[in-house]
Amino acid sequence: DAGVTQSPTHLIKTRGQQVTLRCSPISGHKSVSWYQQVLGQGPQFIFQYYEKEERGRGNFPDRFSARQFPNYSSELNVNALLLGDSALYLCASSLGAGASQETQYFGPGTRLLVL
Amino acid sequence: RKEVEQDPGPFNVPEGATVAFNCTYSNSASQSFFWYRQDCRKEPKLLMSVYSSGNEDGRFTAQLNRASQYISLLIRDSKLSDSATYLCVVNRNTGFQKLVFGTGTRLLVSP
Repeated sequence: DAGVTQSPTHLIKTRGQQVTLRCSPISGHKSVSWYQQVLGQGPQFIFQYYEKEERGRGNFPDRFSARQFPNYSSELNVNALLLGDSALYLCASSLGAGASQETQYFGPGTRLLVL
Repeated sequence: RKEVEQDPGPFNVPEGATVAFNCTYSNSASQSFFWYRQDCRKEPKLLMSVYSSGNEDGRFTAQLNRASQYISLLIRDSKLSDSATYLCVVNRNTGFQKLVFGTGTRLLVSP
């Protein structure tokens, strides 16, 4: 079975540009979460989407937005890129959105470099 | 103060050694606890969930002390393939799932 897939794998942008990252969850999973991992740190929560609705948002500026489609895939958009947005962006999928013990499965990530 | 704190290491150990990682969390509302493993330039992968009664999976043992807000991971008989970063993770699940990660502890197992 296919795991979580993300595209693109790598991306180089310049300051001020906009970027869209894509994620397809594991088949049957309805929840997608996005995390940002900067070098030397653990991943930080950005958003969770479940059944096409935003369920939770982390402490990120409004430049970050996301959406989930009817097939449960998701996009993360970042506007007006800053150097500090350079990071590994991870997508995680889970069956539902509520169970605290529920496992989140991570995709391979998109590595974004902002110059 | 970070919500989840870990010693960043690195821990350098020989093959066959036993190594222990510790982690503390500050939010007493945290409901579930995990250890994830992350290899260099790869995604985090769930190693094991951590339960109040403690749990074991082969060479790996995890413990949780809710009173002290302390989580541990013990690896026995270390293998070269155990070299990775180990991330301590808590989930507050305040109406949605939000995993909160520590910075990770790097383990290097040498021959």
